[in-house]
Amino acid sequence: SQQGEEDPQALSIQEGENATMNCSYKTSINNLQWYRQNSGRGLVHLILIRSNEREKHSGRLRVTLDTSKKSSSLLITASRAADTASYFCATVMKTSYDKVIFGPGTSLSVIP
Amino acid sequence: SQTIHQWPATLVQPVGSPLSLECTVEGTSNPNLYWYRQAAGRGLQLLFYSVGIGQISSEVPQNLSASRPQDRQFILSSKKLLLSDSGFYLCAWSAGQFNTEAFFGQGTRLTVV
Repeated sequence: SQQGEEDPQALSIQEGENATMNCSYKTSINNLQWYRQNSGRGLVHLILIRSNEREKHSGRLRVTLDTSKKSSSLLITASRAADTASYFCATVMKTSYDKVIFGPGTSLSVIP
Repeated sequence: SQTIHQWPATLVQPVGSPLSLECTVEGTSNPNLYWYRQAAGRGLQLLFYSVGIGQISSEVPQNLSASRPQDRQFILSSKKLLLSDSGFYLCAWSAGQFNTEAFFGQGTRLTVV
């Protein structure tokens, strides 16, 4: 069963604009992670936010977590064409910390 | 530094043939190991995970099996492939503790014909 759901499924923006992707999940988590996948490749970890954290930054990335709403958002600021990829949220549940469960992802296209 | 190797990169197999995909991790010990499958344009479905040698947890009943004969080796197998087994298979590892990330191999594109 799927734990996380990203929204929107697809997003197209102009270079320089900000991109926001959302993730909702169902059960209590230990942490939530965001990954990036370029077409036909493996996934690359971007950022991890723990359940007791509310916001985290890494370069042009900002992740927020609202455990009361069971949701997270990933903001990419000043987007570049090279940011074009699929982005996935993944959760590690409190009851099963050995499993990393992924959502269906958001496909981001950044138009030069 | 840790690295993960997954092979082959692409594979075309006839229906009914066996399958063996291998994944090895270097530079760490006692990792958690994962096999995921990704359908075209979709998210990752967790197939199997392992917290130690010989310890395999299956997430989804299916035509596939997994084995972990060594600490840093994870194998995905099938005795007889089905058309529905086609997809992009990804191996990953994590340190197996709270608050750790997963590291992925480059994936195997399997096409069953």
